[in-house]
Amino acid sequence: SQTIHQWPATLVQPVGSPLSLECTVEGTSNPNLYWYRQAAGRGLQLLFYSVGIGQISSEVPQNLSASRPQDRQFILSSKKLLLSDSGFYLCAWSDPRGNTEAFFGQGTRLTVV
Amino acid sequence: GQSLEQPSEVTAVEGAIVQINCTYQTSGFYGLSWYQQHDGGAPTFLSYNALDGLEETGRFSSFLSRSDSYGYLLLQELQMKDSASYFCAVLAGDKIIFGKGTRLHILP
Repeated sequence: SQTIHQWPATLVQPVGSPLSLECTVEGTSNPNLYWYRQAAGRGLQLLFYSVGIGQISSEVPQNLSASRPQDRQFILSSKKLLLSDSGFYLCAWSDPRGNTEAFFGQGTRLTVV
Repeated sequence: GQSLEQPSEVTAVEGAIVQINCTYQTSGFYGLSWYQQHDGGAPTFLSYNALDGLEETGRFSSFLSRSDSYGYLLLQELQMKDSASYFCAVLAGDKIIFGKGTRLHILP
């Protein structure tokens, strides 16, 4: 069966520090991968998505970047965090052959202080 | 671009029926999905409609009208555990775009 791992679960980082969030998927190959951000009590904002290794599409220009160094690994990064980067970050995958359902990791709650 | 509109909050009584509406504007529309998210948790998939009509899964049903760019989620026999946020999402090519969510409050 397929599983998605996302870590860490919580993170407190000072303003100006770097960020690296990692997401891996098991039990499937060539998944579509997504990074979303959710502000408190708000909707899910699509940040990046990827349909293959090295293929990254950015939805919102901002202080973040994403990379897909391996088929089932998706990384969200920042060189210098801003206070506005605080939020709940969710990684998800979907099967490109069906693509009707997104499976989410448990999320990372990031607080920038 | 894509946009989805759904009510921010809905309140209903335990045991009753509630409908959450969603209207969307998007290019390259493939289908409409619904997700449930409890506080502090990750969203979980409820249903998907690619064609017009009603899809039923237990107490939950979802409807789509492609000509009206409109869909809804129907929850029957409401239980307290259904208190959560509900998101509609459109599948547009390889992207899955979510609405801002509807917070469902259930009164005993």
